[in-house]
Formats: sequence, C-alpha cells, structure tokens
Amino acid sequence: DAGVIQSPRHEVTEMGQEVTLRCKPISGHDYLFWYRQTMMRGLELLIYFNNNVPIDDSGMPEDRFSAKMPNASFSTLKIQPSEPRDSAVYFCASSYGTDTQYFGPGTRLTVL
Amino acid sequence: AQKITQTQPGMFVQEKEAVTLDCTYDTSDQSYGLFWYKQPSSGEMIFLIYQGSYDEQNATEGRYSLNFQKARKSANLVISASQLGDSAMYFCAMTPRSNDYKLSFGAGTTVTVRA
Repeated sequence: DAGVIQSPRHEVTEMGQEVTLRCKPISGHDYLFWYRQTMMRGLELLIYFNNNVPIDDSGMPEDRFSAKMPNASFSTLKIQPSEPRDSAVYFCASSYGTDTQYFGPGTRLTVL
Repeated sequence: AQKITQTQPGMFVQEKEAVTLDCTYDTSDQSYGLFWYKQPSSGEMIFLIYQGSYDEQNATEGRYSLNFQKARKSANLVISASQLGDSAMYFCAMTPRSNDYKLSFGAGTTVTVRA
C-alpha cells in the first residue's frame, strides 16, 4: 500500500517567493496533519484536518502560512511570502481516527 | 498541555546489545496514547511502537518493546539486539484521546550503534 506522499521532496526558493507543499494522505485516513521540524524547535504541529475540515490551526506561525484540504486525497501548505526563517523540513502525516499517525517523507525547504 | 521529556541527547551502544531510551511525560488526561518514532539520517519518520494508557501489557513489536510505568509517567523504549541500522534519532510522542489528536514530541535521542 502507498504511504503518505509528499511533493516536492526538496524546494529551494528565494525570500519573498510563494511556496506550495503538497500531500496525499493514505487512502481511507480521515485525519491529516502538517508538522514542521527545525533544529531549534524540534517537531511542531502546524495544523490538522478531520474529514477535510481544519480543526486546529493554532500552530500556524503567522498569516503567511495557509493550508487547505479540498478533498480527502489532497492537501496543500502554502507560504506566501516565504522568509529564510521558514527553512525547515515539513512533514505531512495521516491517521484513521486516533490510530497511529503515519508520516510522509517530508519536504526540505530552503529559503535563501 | 502535554509535555514529553527525553533526557538523553545521545547514546552509544555496541552491536547486538540492548539499549533503553528514556521518555517521561506530563499530562492531566486519563486517556492517551504513547508512540515512538525513528528518524534515520535519510529524514523520514518511521513509526515503531504504540502504547495506550489503558493497556495493561507492555507493547512489543519485534525487537522493540515499551516499558510503560503509568504511575511514574514513563514510557521507555527498549531496543534489543541492536543492529547498525538502528543508528538514528528516536522520538517519543504522545497524544491525548479525550478531545484532540495532536502529537506532542520530545526532543529526541540520537542512538549510534558501534560494530
């Protein structure tokens, strides 16, 4: 079975540019999570969805970040405009209810 | 709010030996789940093992076992018969079951297995 799929795997962009990260959860999972990992702050939850509806976005750093889930098989995390401090690894994870969250391979974002 | 503490930033273990990674947590929830994830140098997050707060038996998955001591609020991971491929960062994580499903992670422990 396919796991969580994320694209791109690596993204290098310049400050001020828009960045869009994509995620396809495991089929049948009803929860989708976006995490960010940095050396300074470790793993942080940014936002999560249940049945495509955002439930908690309290971890989203600021208005430059937005996330959508238009259907059960696709979600995006957008940063506009991007800043160097946004450089991190962004993980998408999915789960069925309260079961184990399975993570995608991550997107390594570098903002110059 | 939940807090996960992993006090060992790094550990060395000899191949074929067992290693215990410490994890303590703080929560006021009665129902919660505890997880361990492995992050090798390639970067992916790999689920290893799960323990529910009401599970009476310690969880085991192959060479991984979870030493769950509820009264002490600890959930230590034991890796038996270490292999070179076990060298990675290991994260303890927790989610409440009562009202939300957010995972809170510890800072992680780096394990290096020596031949």
